[in-house]
Amino acid sequence: DTAVSQTPKYLVTQMGNDKSIKCEQNLGHDTMYWYKQDSKKFLKIMFSYNNKELIINETVPNRFSPKSPDKAHLNLHINSLELGDSAVYFCASSQLLAGGKEQFFGPGTRLTVL
Amino acid sequence: KNEVEQSPQNLTAQEGEFITINCSYSVGISALHWLQQHPGGGIVSLFMLSSGKKKHGRLIATINIQEKHSSLHITASHPRDSAVYICAVRENNDMRFGAGTRLTVKP
Repeated sequence: DTAVSQTPKYLVTQMGNDKSIKCEQNLGHDTMYWYKQDSKKFLKIMFSYNNKELIINETVPNRFSPKSPDKAHLNLHINSLELGDSAVYFCASSQLLAGGKEQFFGPGTRLTVL
Repeated sequence: KNEVEQSPQNLTAQEGEFITINCSYSVGISALHWLQQHPGGGIVSLFMLSSGKKKHGRLIATINIQEKHSSLHITASHPRDSAVYICAVRENNDMRFGAGTRLTVKP
């Protein structure tokens, strides 16, 4: 059983389009994250949600909007895609409130903006 | 300067060698993570530690809070250990990542 799943795995799109990446975790965790890994393989946190509430919002353009319909899902919507948005996006989850903070990562979504 | 520094950036070893990857950080942390990113891109959490030492199979992670330093050791390295190893530090809900160490273990 997949613990943290993301769809799609690959996403190729044109500049200016709007796209979404979905993330689901079946671990019962209360906290979910989005990370961006750039072409140099450097990981950076983008957002963190705890119990459907935003608790981290790093310096990310407001074209990126996370949406958490419930604790098991954290979707990432990106408006007006730009070339610099090309990266691999990883979703992760952890059980933050229980004190166990180990994160479980999804397989990643490779976004290519042409 | 990155808040989390890893060394070396690249490491090539022969099968069976003892491997050490180092991580130094400059911020206060509540926990430190070691992650493994496979050549296919998937990320796996290896360890989360806030003090002392943890061992899992051939992997050992240590942390010295006073010196703000952690090491990841791999004993009896194997070609399947080839991956990028990433150190990440957590301060409350925030995570900061090192640039990763690319390990290649040759048979």
